[in-house]
Amino acid sequence: AAGVIQSPRHLIKEKRETATLKCYPIPRHDTVYWYQQGPGQDPQFLISFYEKMQSDKGSIPDRFSAQQFSDYHSELNMSSLELGDSALYFCASSPPGTRWGEQFFGPGTRLTVL
Amino acid sequence: KNEVEQSPQNLTAQEGEFITINCSYSVGISALHWLQQHPGGGIVSLFMLSSGKKKHGRLIATINIQEKHSSLHITASHPRDSAVYICAPPGNEKLTFGTGTRLTIIP
Repeated sequence: AAGVIQSPRHLIKEKRETATLKCYPIPRHDTVYWYQQGPGQDPQFLISFYEKMQSDKGSIPDRFSAQQFSDYHSELNMSSLELGDSALYFCASSPPGTRWGEQFFGPGTRLTVL
Repeated sequence: KNEVEQSPQNLTAQEGEFITINCSYSVGISALHWLQQHPGGGIVSLFMLSSGKKKHGRLIATINIQEKHSSLHITASHPRDSAVYICAPPGNEKLTFGTGTRLTIIP
């Protein structure tokens, strides 16, 4: 069965650079969630999209933005990167009709900011 | 006060032992996720349940919505079960993660 795809799996950036993380939900899933997990920390909710519209916002810095496209894939754009942005970024998706239903997680993108 | 509390926070057991991880939450919810995160970082959704009990292989999850308590049981534990187990109530479309229970199964 198809799973959530995230790319890239690993990313190394310098401070003040920008990064774009991509998430491809399971086919026919219409809700996408982004989570950030710092080293030794719990995952923290960043933002979610339902039917291409932002549906909920968590602890996402102003330097970050995200969107969901017509094919339901989502991109998380991160600018002016800081050392503290180094983390594992997870994307999850949910099937239609269950906006806060079971979430299926991608493998994550490990971002390292040097 | 955390909305979600798990116990124990760390658990080491011998292979074959029966494992129980408990989750208590302070917010009213209609369902609860149990997730598994392996050392490599990947998160796997084990269960989402809103009442009673669900079973998948050697894993059993129970929930009592009124008492705001859920448990995850692992029968005949195996070293490959070693991971962090997280209960997370969905609320307003996001999951609120607790600190998780780090389980280590020794061969």
